[in-house]
Amino acid sequence: DAKTTQPTSMDCAEGRAANLPCNHSTISGNEYVYWYRQIHSQGPQYIIHGLKNNETNEMASLIITEDRKSSTLILPHATLRDTAVYYCIVRRNNQGGKLIFGQGTELSVKP
Amino acid sequence: GAVVSQHPSRVICKSGTSVKIECRSLDFQATTMFWYRQFPKQSLMLMATSNEGSKATYEQGVEKDKFLINHASLTLSTLTVTSAHPEDSSFYICSARGWGGQGSYEQYFGPGTRLTVT
Repeated sequence: DAKTTQPTSMDCAEGRAANLPCNHSTISGNEYVYWYRQIHSQGPQYIIHGLKNNETNEMASLIITEDRKSSTLILPHATLRDTAVYYCIVRRNNQGGKLIFGQGTELSVKP
Repeated sequence: GAVVSQHPSRVICKSGTSVKIECRSLDFQATTMFWYRQFPKQSLMLMATSNEGSKATYEQGVEKDKFLINHASLTLSTLTVTSAHPEDSSFYICSARGWGGQGSYEQYFGPGTRLTVT
């Protein structure tokens, strides 16, 4: 599975959009981009995933560049409860695909 | 939908004893379950993958005789830490993959079990 690169930490003001970048320049054609987050001392929570089209759900939007070498997770109106470590993971979407976690981005939403 | 539970949430045991952690998918059937370990201020590390009725596949560097995994049904997997030592103290997180409540085949995580070995 391809590796990802994310900034170690980011700050965001409450109520503003949080844009979390991820580089995955070695992604292959059958690998999806997944985003999870982990609030302190809890299990990871699934946010969103996509292959090449932009995706949106009730939690966030995922923007994937045309060459698929990078993506951005957007939390449109960040709240204090969105403070967490956000993990960008690429994975084959089949029985053998495993979620391998990198170091993630520690997002701090400040009042 | 797609809830994964773990029991216990916290456990303290003495060095040399064994500890069993249960992982259950409450409202879906999990064809595959995963066990992760997380040390303080570090990311999750995948320990092993198990399919129902089959032997678990362990990641490189994980001792299969120390971390016994049983996946006897589509809703239950157990991790037994045998002869635990203080360096086994960690946050153990299980994950189950299956068809969740929103009709997507995804991987869902339990809340984790904090193990402290004294």
